[in-house]
Amino acid sequence: EAQVTQNPRYLITVTGKKLTVTCSQNMNHEYMSWYRQDPGLGLRQIYYSMNVEVTDKGDVPEGYKVSRKEKRNFPLILESPSPNQTSLYFCASSLTQTSGARGRELFFGEGSRLTVL
Amino acid sequence: AQSVAQPEDQVNVAEGNPLTVKCTYSVSGNPYLFWYVQYPNRGLQFLLKYITGDNLVKGSYGFEAEFNKSQTSFHLKKPSALVSDSALYFCAVRGLGGSGSARQLTFGSGTQLTVLP
Repeated sequence: EAQVTQNPRYLITVTGKKLTVTCSQNMNHEYMSWYRQDPGLGLRQIYYSMNVEVTDKGDVPEGYKVSRKEKRNFPLILESPSPNQTSLYFCASSLTQTSGARGRELFFGEGSRLTVL
Repeated sequence: AQSVAQPEDQVNVAEGNPLTVKCTYSVSGNPYLFWYVQYPNRGLQFLLKYITGDNLVKGSYGFEAEFNKSQTSFHLKKPSALVSDSALYFCAVRGLGGSGSARQLTFGSGTQLTVLP
């Protein structure tokens, strides 16, 4: 089954304790992206990756890191989480999003709800 | 900078009645427009998109959307609502201009649709 898998789905942690949210897709997609969803703000992009070893900042990258060492995986790293990073996080992927192919729809994971105390 | 506005946080409609979820956008050049739906505790799912061509786009589950360039709108519609259509709906836009982050998908804040039995 084609899917985007995120782990963990739920996590409660404390300020400053490093954590990683994993994301894996089995559709051989070039493009992957992380979003956070907050009430009244919709989805805001954190980081994205056009392909392996190519990552770039989205609209709200502060406090986050990513890596794309393999095509299927795109982990989100919070080096020192703070309470303002409490949110619902979504990973998404699609076929290439180069300039001639920006109409490709995104496939989303089920979400990871993070609470930072 | 590109942006999306969903002016209604909440839309209530009786089952069997037509529904409309509103979306307006601002972007450089011709837009790529999308609608996604989010059911409780699930990731977003693609509904439909406008790239070019016919202004009336048909998508999944009987939904359609009308692209209106002069009004910069892309309203989601369905002729007869079902209780199972109750969900959170997101409009999104991607422009053709700009670079890096400016080429990414921008989401609206979402509209909660409730279909009453």
